[in-house]
Amino acid sequence: QQQVKQSPQSLIVQKGGIPIINCAYENTAFDYFPWYQQFPGKGPALLIAIRPDVSEKKEGRFTISFNKSAKQFSLHIMDSQPGDSATYFCAASRSGSARQLTFGSGTQLTVLP
Amino acid sequence: NAGVMQNPRHLVRRRGQEARLRCSPMKGHSHVYWYRQLPEEGLKFMVYLQKENIIDESGMPKERFSAEFPKEGPSILRIQQVVRGDSAAYFCASSRLAADTQYFGPGTRLTVL
Repeated sequence: QQQVKQSPQSLIVQKGGIPIINCAYENTAFDYFPWYQQFPGKGPALLIAIRPDVSEKKEGRFTISFNKSAKQFSLHIMDSQPGDSATYFCAASRSGSARQLTFGSGTQLTVLP
Repeated sequence: NAGVMQNPRHLVRRRGQEARLRCSPMKGHSHVYWYRQLPEEGLKFMVYLQKENIIDESGMPKERFSAEFPKEGPSILRIQQVVRGDSAAYFCASSRLAADTQYFGPGTRLTVL
């Protein structure tokens, strides 16, 4: 019940394309859904996060869509650039004194020039 | 404001030796989380600590692994009698409050020969 399932495992798009990464969760107690970007040899960096009281959140070229009834959320990257090539992780956590993050397995994105 | 610092960045140990990983949280952050990332996988929660207290160690193996976050100094993740399966990247994250965003360090890559 703690799992977060992420797909696809890898994704290749042309520059300017809109890659979409999907995640699904099982635990209905989750109420915080961040996306992290990780470059090789680096730690994950927070991109954008959403809570279940909204269905969409935009920050720059990054958009999260959230479907509470389906227990799914996705990341869209508008006008993707070669510099966006990285591994993207979705995660989820629930309220409480400890916000341990449950991560998806990651999506390796390649944006071709 | 310096980010989360981890050292060493790379650590090589032979089977049976001890590995000691250090994490200095961001200034003003008193909550520390340790995660482990196996190759081609997402991050898995290990332990959550506040100053001088272990809050949640549900993700940490019961044997050979221990963690501390003393009143003064960095948080330390200690792995005794390392085995090849301990080879992974270990990431530390910190937050100002329990419910705040977690900021990750660059990780320590442990290789067990």
